[in-house]
Amino acid sequence: GESVGLHLPTLSVQEGDNSIINCAYSNSASDYFIWYKQESGKGPQFIIDIRSNMDKRQGQRVTVLLNKTVKHLSLQIAATQPGDSAVYFCAENMDPGGSYIPTFGRGTSLIVHP
Amino acid sequence: DADVTQTPRNRITKTGKRIMLECSQTKGHDRMYWYRQDPGLGLRLIYYSFDVKDINKGEISDGYSVSRQAQAKFSLSLESAIPNQTALYFCATSDTRAGGNTIYFGEGSWLTVV
Repeated sequence: GESVGLHLPTLSVQEGDNSIINCAYSNSASDYFIWYKQESGKGPQFIIDIRSNMDKRQGQRVTVLLNKTVKHLSLQIAATQPGDSAVYFCAENMDPGGSYIPTFGRGTSLIVHP
Repeated sequence: DADVTQTPRNRITKTGKRIMLECSQTKGHDRMYWYRQDPGLGLRLIYYSFDVKDINKGEISDGYSVSRQAQAKFSLSLESAIPNQTALYFCATSDTRAGGNTIYFGEGSWLTVV
């Protein structure tokens, strides 16, 4: 079956560096993608989303890039801070008949060293 | 106050016992979900509901049942708990009326089956 996956399970960076978290998806019918951040002991929280008619979207210190040709999604965090340490999930959404049920990747653990 | 509230937050139960996890939301969203999170496996969908009279099985519904008593409430039951149902359970909601499908999660319920 089709799936969402992450290239790196753990990413360690120094405070102030830029972080890039990658996600591969295999369902070409997916047309909406979301990144979530899950801090220890909490539920996942929405960070940023992107639709398939876009290839880049920027938020505050975060940028999501979508490459539909190779079915690849990335989350870039600028000037990473200790508070960014968390597990990051990508989710793809398909709309077969309006259902839009998201499928989540396994997650990447981001560790920010001071 | 949290928009998506789960009770209990932590529960230890014995094998064979019936356990119910409850979820309520104040966001006014039409859709509600129950996810299970296990280490290294990300978030897996158990059941979802598009409206009060609508119940749909997710990826891992065996051993679980749900009830959508009202638009704001969605409960998950384990009729006869077994140890491999030990996990972190998340309730979530979403509102698709504006397009897309951003999921909003509760804080999670830790369930241990001994």
